[in-house]
Amino acid sequence: NAGVMQNPRHLVRRRGQEARLRCSPMKGHSHVYWYRQLPEEGLKFMVYLQKENIIDESGMPKERFSAEFPKEGPSILRIQQVVRGDSAAYFCASSTSNLHQETQYFGPGTRLLVL
Amino acid sequence: AQSVTQLGSHVSVSEGALVLLRCNYSSSVPPYLFWYVQYPNQGLQLLLKYTTGATLVKGINGFEAEFKKSETSFHLTKPSAHMSDAAEYFCAVSDQGTNAGKSTFGDGTTLTVKP
Repeated sequence: NAGVMQNPRHLVRRRGQEARLRCSPMKGHSHVYWYRQLPEEGLKFMVYLQKENIIDESGMPKERFSAEFPKEGPSILRIQQVVRGDSAAYFCASSTSNLHQETQYFGPGTRLLVL
Repeated sequence: AQSVTQLGSHVSVSEGALVLLRCNYSSSVPPYLFWYVQYPNQGLQLLLKYTTGATLVKGINGFEAEFKKSETSFHLTKPSAHMSDAAEYFCAVSDQGTNAGKSTFGDGTTLTVKP
């Protein structure tokens, strides 16, 4: 059973370009979470999605950021018109449910560098 | 509002010595508490978690942590460090009223193990 997959692992963008980060949850997992990790900091919650629905996006910046988890295919975190401050590691995690008893499994992350 | 403080951003121990990583939290409601380990260029792996019941929690790789409500602490320990324990460790808290995805993470502690 493959773990959580994220691609690309590294992404370089120039200011103003778009960044698309993909997350394929573990098989059988329908809950996906996105986190951002800035250098020397812990993870910060961004958004929680179930299939075709955004459940909680309270951690997402109001502008330029969006996320989706379609019925088919991976979850996508999209950052439009990137700025240098968007440089960070972006992790997704998946679980079978949102109960605390259920372990979240993390992907290896996408490291975004904005030049 | 929740917060997590990890005391000591860097901890260095000798191989075979006791490992103690400190975590204090604040939460307005009974918390759920987690410790994760992150190896370079990888995602987070759950070491252990406290939800309810026994306050001494045993995790993987010989780690354990004790929930002390009176001290609002959830320190991570391991009796004898191994070279393979060198990694970054994150403490996280979420409350019972929110889904697990909205955990608040500490800034992490980097553990170095000297031969």
